[in-house]
Amino acid sequence: DQQVKQNSPSLSVQEGRISILNCDYTNSMFDYFLWYKKYPAEGPTFLISISSIKDKNEDGRFTVFLNKSAKHLSLHIVPSQPGDSAVYFCAASEWVEFYFGTGTSLTVIP
Amino acid sequence: NAGVTQTPKFRVLKTGQSMTLLCAQDMNHEYMYWYRQDPGMGLRLIHYSVGEGTTAKGEVPDGYNVSRLKKQNFLLGLESAAPSQTSVYFCASTKGSNQPQHFGDGTRLSIL
Repeated sequence: DQQVKQNSPSLSVQEGRISILNCDYTNSMFDYFLWYKKYPAEGPTFLISISSIKDKNEDGRFTVFLNKSAKHLSLHIVPSQPGDSAVYFCAASEWVEFYFGTGTSLTVIP
Repeated sequence: NAGVTQTPKFRVLKTGQSMTLLCAQDMNHEYMYWYRQDPGMGLRLIHYSVGEGTTAKGEVPDGYNVSRLKKQNFLLGLESAAPSQTSVYFCASTKGSNQPQHFGDGTRLSIL
């Protein structure tokens, strides 16, 4: 059974607007959460992470929010740029094992 | 910086053949992982290693074996390839727990 879920396979936003990508998880033992970006024919690239002791982490245009009670994670990209168009995976970790969502394909329209 | 390097990038096999995928990292990372990515399934963990000489099963280990004889290398073996093992395989490494993983660019494997 999928422990990390991304229910939106795709998302389109206008350049300059906010992109919000969502992720849900089921395992309350997860203590570290990450977002990766992936371009075709390349491996995933680490974007941003958050520990379970925090509820927000910011890095430039990227902010990750964690709601532990809802078991929900989101990634905000502001402002969105055409170069942000890629597949985004969320991941969650318990000790050394990582579990990935199925990905959301983001298209930023110029 | 090479980071994580996977060899080969592409391979076509016949059912029943065997092969080994090589992953090499130059970041002195302790932990290494093998994943497979299938359409609509995300990345699923096959096997992982927390140090030289140690390996452990992940979510989908059946049909695969691994070895970590040297810290920088993690090998994934298919003893008798099956069409269900057609996939893109990714290797990753990380410094330790609660650290982000660094990924290779993948090996696209087709089994006919």
